[in-house]
Amino acid sequence: QKEVEQDPGPLSVPEGAIVSLNCTYSNSAFQYFMWYRQYSRKGPELLMYTYSSGNKEDGRFTAQVDKSSKYISLFIRDSQPSDSATYLCAMSDGSGGSNYKLTFGKGTLLTVNP
Amino acid sequence: SQTIHQWPATLVQPVGSPLSLECTVEGTSNPNLYWYRQAAGRGLQLLFYSIGIDQISSEVPQNLSASRPQDRQFILSSKKLLLSDSGFYLCAWSSQIPRYTFGSGTRLTVV
Repeated sequence: QKEVEQDPGPLSVPEGAIVSLNCTYSNSAFQYFMWYRQYSRKGPELLMYTYSSGNKEDGRFTAQVDKSSKYISLFIRDSQPSDSATYLCAMSDGSGGSNYKLTFGKGTLLTVNP
Repeated sequence: SQTIHQWPATLVQPVGSPLSLECTVEGTSNPNLYWYRQAAGRGLQLLFYSIGIDQISSEVPQNLSASRPQDRQFILSSKKLLLSDSGFYLCAWSSQIPRYTFGSGTRLTVV
């Protein structure tokens, strides 16, 4: 079993739809959870950052972490064509000295159609 | 504010030629630095990480090497490129918490 599983999609939705992106993981020591957005031919940019369980909201984006189920989600409300990108989940147990290695999902390609 | 610079943006190199990709970080000191390669369908592969000057750890045996001659400078090199070295190379940095900031990437095509 891979440490982080993420459905690669592609996912295609109409403008204004609610988008749900998910990752599952196997390492119960993970405590830091992130979502990155990557536009084509660009570096990933940090979208959401969560420590431990719970929800975090930022504008149209909501990140949820359910540590009991080892499941994290990113919701996008009122999706826009500009949200079309690959979304990568990432997580860390925060250990390893000062290394802070992240484990990434493979990314989900999202297209929002106008 | 902190910024990360990575260049060049694109590179086309013949097989057997050398490689040097550079990454610099501004606005922070003693960052953790990382080199990743991203291939279609394979996600992000960690190649090297560094927690300090001349402190480099390799994650995957390969045709590449990394160096950190200065606190905020990270260089990815190869003496002889292989076709399999083609890909999208990303530099990243982190500080006290496990949260990365990525550079804009270099798309390398070995021909």
